[in-house]
Amino acid sequence: NAGVTQTPKFRILKIGQSMTLQCTQDMNHNYMYWYRQDPGMGLKLIYYSVGAGITDKGEVPNGYNVSRSTTEDFPLRLELAAPSQTSVYFCASSYDAPIGTSDDEAFFGQGTRLTVV
Amino acid sequence: AQSVTQLDSQVPVFEEAPVELRCNYSSSVSVYLFWYVQYPNQGLQLLLKYLSGSTLVESINGFEAEFNKSQTSFHLRKPSVHISDTAEYFCAVTSRGNTGKLIFGQGTTLQVKP
Repeated sequence: NAGVTQTPKFRILKIGQSMTLQCTQDMNHNYMYWYRQDPGMGLKLIYYSVGAGITDKGEVPNGYNVSRSTTEDFPLRLELAAPSQTSVYFCASSYDAPIGTSDDEAFFGQGTRLTVV
Repeated sequence: AQSVTQLDSQVPVFEEAPVELRCNYSSSVSVYLFWYVQYPNQGLQLLLKYLSGSTLVESINGFEAEFNKSQTSFHLRKPSVHISDTAEYFCAVTSRGNTGKLIFGQGTTLQVKP
């Protein structure tokens, strides 16, 4: 199993450009999450999904969109990049909810470091 | 609403010394509590978690945390740290009714010096 795979690892965007951060997991997990990590701020939840076809907003959804057409994939879309979206983005997944509360574990990807200039 | 406060942003400590990383939470419902570790340039890894039962939980690499409901705390401790423990540590909380969303603290950087 590869776990949670995020691509790309690094990206520099110009203001106003768009991009999609990819996240895929091969553990047949139902729940998937996108977080952003800003220095000194911990992780903030952007969007989450409880299963294919179902998504919902987290704490900081503005400027982002998601889709969940399959169990495996949960891409995060930035339509008009802004400097405030400079951050490290983490995708996570778990089989059960709340995240990691059963005997299984919540898994995080290695992150995508995004800089908007 | 739930929240987590990690009281120290950085904790410098010498190798083989004990360490405590402090975490306090706020919640109106029963909680599940977690400590995650993030090594440089890596994603988060679960260190330990409290779901129910014994209030003292342990990890495989010598860390332990105690759930204290009266003080709404979940401090992380290790009696003797190693250089390899240098990392950022995040405390997180969620609850059964929270649709699986983890609320994270701001993080504490543990710097172990030789």
